[in-house]
Amino acid sequence: SQKIEQNSEALNIQEGKTATLTCNYTNYSPAYLQWYRQDPGRGPVFLLLIRENEKEKRKERLKVTFDTTLKQSLFHITASQPADSATYLCARPWGNDYKLSFGAGTTVTVRA
Amino acid sequence: NAGVTQTPKFQVLKTGQSMTLQCAQDMNHEYMSWYRQDPGMGLRLIHYSVGAGITDQGEVPNGYNVSRSTTEDFPLRLLSAAPSQTSVYFCASSSPGTSGAYEQYFGPGTRLTVT
Repeated sequence: SQKIEQNSEALNIQEGKTATLTCNYTNYSPAYLQWYRQDPGRGPVFLLLIRENEKEKRKERLKVTFDTTLKQSLFHITASQPADSATYLCARPWGNDYKLSFGAGTTVTVRA
Repeated sequence: NAGVTQTPKFQVLKTGQSMTLQCAQDMNHEYMSWYRQDPGMGLRLIHYSVGAGITDQGEVPNGYNVSRSTTEDFPLRLLSAAPSQTSVYFCASSSPGTSGAYEQYFGPGTRLTVT
């Protein structure tokens, strides 16, 4: 598999602020990166996909970037709300596209 | 659509016992996978299948068997449970979809404890 790292285990932020999560990968750049949300006791849920040739992707208050020079993706939650509290996982394909390597995740807690 | 379903939700086994974790999907997805999730280690791929009758190993296949006789079902068998297999197990299904990328749809998980 291909290694993928999310560089902070936990992030605590105030409601209304922007949370920024980092995902770093090694070796060759993947064709795309995926981001998932996982709530306690539940399975991950797909949020966003960003392709290698896309610098930025947005979905509502979420923004993802992909920097192939730095081998890094940033995941931003703007105007954060307590309901955004969850663990966020980054994933990249390896081998065939349907196999994914996941990072360990970053747990975000948004304080009211 | 129920999506991806898994049973049981919780299970406690003694070392050496065997059991089967069930997984089913109703989205007609070709690809199905089993992952285990351990604290601080992320999701690790155990086995996967690209269609009925076709399975292959992932990163951590030892101690587990799979089969895929239908598109819908993908059971995971623990042959002789060991404490190291204590984990949360997730089944997932995917298809290329309109994006061409295999977004995974996960089940709710099975929390397994081996004593």
